[in-house]
Amino acid sequence: DVKVTQSSRYLVKRTGEKVFLECVQDMDHENMFWYRQDPGLGLRLIYFSYDVKMKEKGDIPEGYSVSREKKERFSLILESASTNQTSMYLCASSPRTVYSNQPQHFGDGTRLSIL
Amino acid sequence: DAKTTQPPSMDCAEGRAANLPCNHSTISGNEYVYWYRQIHSQGPQYIIHGLKNNETNEMASLIITEDRKSSTLILPHATLRDTAVYYCIVRRPSGGYQKVTFGTGTKLQVIP
Repeated sequence: DVKVTQSSRYLVKRTGEKVFLECVQDMDHENMFWYRQDPGLGLRLIYFSYDVKMKEKGDIPEGYSVSREKKERFSLILESASTNQTSMYLCASSPRTVYSNQPQHFGDGTRLSIL
Repeated sequence: DAKTTQPPSMDCAEGRAANLPCNHSTISGNEYVYWYRQIHSQGPQYIIHGLKNNETNEMASLIITEDRKSSTLILPHATLRDTAVYYCIVRRPSGGYQKVTFGTGTKLQVIP
């Protein structure tokens, strides 16, 4: 079974702090994604990566950055946390093939509160 | 990607089959139907996907109508742990990245 592991289930940080969210997958997937999920707004893509050291902006990248130094690990960084970044953060991964119908698999999420 | 329509909520008695419908009348020929669920305070869990043939795995069965305009997810023997929001989405295959977008889904309540 695919396993996507996020480092923390719950996290509380203060405004202005630099916050790191870590995600590891064990299926040798090329693609990795970071989303946030908010009531009434659904899932929104922040960043994704299709290979080591490669990254692409999603729909809401402002205030975030990412790092992918190893294939299995994808980190989301909040450069200077703000209260409007309080949210559920979800990491996902999927394989990359020429004609892929493979689904994305999600981690259990990190519920981040910025005070 | 085609839009999907699902009932907002459903109840199912424990041990009975749960049949969750999804309408995707604008689906294109190469688009797949995917089902996910999200149990409260957890991440979305992939369940099953299909193109036009019926599919079955250890979790569920997916029945897609011949015209592909609707589908039904079947949980054969629902348990209390199946209480969740179920999302039906339609996506075309892509060589790499394609984001997942959920609609409002169906909130399934399994009743003892």
